Amino acid sequence: AQSVTQLGSHVSVSEGALVLLRCNYSSSVPPYLFWYVQYPNQGLQLLLKYTSAATLVKGINGFEAEFKKSETSFHLTKPSAHMSDAAEYFCAVSDSRDDKIIFGKGTRLHILP
Amino acid sequence: ETGVTQTPRHLVMGMTNKKSLKCEQHLGHNAMYWYKQSAKKPLELMFVYNFKEQTENNSVPSRFSPECPNSSHLFLHLHTLQPEDSALYLCASRGLAGGSYEQYFGPGTRLTVT
Repeated sequence: AQSVTQLGSHVSVSEGALVLLRCNYSSSVPPYLFWYVQYPNQGLQLLLKYTSAATLVKGINGFEAEFKKSETSFHLTKPSAHMSDAAEYFCAVSDSRDDKIIFGKGTRLHILP
Repeated sequence: ETGVTQTPRHLVMGMTNKKSLKCEQHLGHNAMYWYKQSAKKPLELMFVYNFKEQTENNSVPSRFSPECPNSSHLFLHLHTLQPEDSALYLCASRGLAGGSYEQYFGPGTRLTVT
């Protein structure tokens, strides 16, 4: 069975500071991993995905994530936070053979001026 | 119109009403999903349809009844709902991108049951 754990339901960073959102996964097969972002009153938008190619994945809006198999992690980072990054972020895992994606509980990112 | 659209965006209904949520995707995908997003709970998968056939029913109460007349449209029929059914209902479709599957989400319908 697959699962995802996001550490911290709320994270606050100052504008211009590094953003680090943590995600650990559990999967019995090589996983596909995703980060989605949800702005208020909107659906989920794909930020980036890992599909067993490069371990460092670059996404939209300056975000990137690194797949570390030894740590079963897929943390999301951005070098410099912007006020517009305030949103909820979801890490997700899927098995390429399955049509389901398992989502984490989400981390709400707050940007402090 | 492109992407995944959902109507209505907001819905208030009484417990004895019958209403329907509509989802439409213009991406040519063959799989569609209904999710429930409640406050302080993880995103819950409700139903999955592949090529118009239901392939997943995640123990959803029968007061929620999905319908998928074709690969582009997905409905969620609601009747005799409970206040705890108030949530954001998200529709998604799945397609191939860059050699792997991705889910594309609609903006959601905010449902309030009074």
